[in-house]
Amino acid sequence: NAGVTQTPKFQVLKTGQSMTLQCAQDMNHNSMYWYRQDPGMGLRLIYYSASEGTTDKGEVPNGYNVSRLNKREFSLRLESAAPSQTSVYFCASSRSAGDIQYFGAGTRLSVL
Amino acid sequence: AQSVTQPDIHITVSEGASLELRCNYSYGATPYLFWYVQSPGQGLQLLLKYFSGDTLVQGIKGFEAEFKRSQSSFNLRKPSVHWSDAAEYFCAVGAPFSGGYNKLIFGAGTRLAVHP
Repeated sequence: NAGVTQTPKFQVLKTGQSMTLQCAQDMNHNSMYWYRQDPGMGLRLIYYSASEGTTDKGEVPNGYNVSRLNKREFSLRLESAAPSQTSVYFCASSRSAGDIQYFGAGTRLSVL
Repeated sequence: AQSVTQPDIHITVSEGASLELRCNYSYGATPYLFWYVQSPGQGLQLLLKYFSGDTLVQGIKGFEAEFKRSQSSFNLRKPSVHWSDAAEYFCAVGAPFSGGYNKLIFGAGTRLAVHP
């Protein structure tokens, strides 16, 4: 009964380093999402995948790339991390685009 | 543009007291509305949702919310707060984005503290 699983839970990077945040869901959902959460700003959509094989930009896509590896997995990549990308990142999934979204526990990322 | 406003950043209530968290949205059509709760270090959990029909919706953990179209509001209420309700609460509206997809627009959140 895992739901949405994110790894890692915590990460510290130096400016310019790259890393990939992993997300997997076991609910057979078609749609998956990546958000970032910053104090006082709620959650903002970075990228989403309405269905396997498709990805689209959200509100704040600059500096990020995504891969929908298969129906279960949706990864977020930072090619060259910047301090402005210090944030908490959440992955979510839903049965279809527009349906209720279920969230993972988050990845807390610090870029020094 | 669609937006969600949660006017109260922090609220403190005593255990056993009633609670109302405010949410106002800006959206042209009938929205999909949600309340999520986030406990410290955790992801977001759906408390309740409004899609259509009865404007008073019941959720988990004894929460309810009322959709008032005339006021563009979707306030969250609980008659008696428990210490375990201390968390951050997010209101969200589902709005068309692209390709038929409804994105969630979140408010900035209200952090609830509960005094014993």
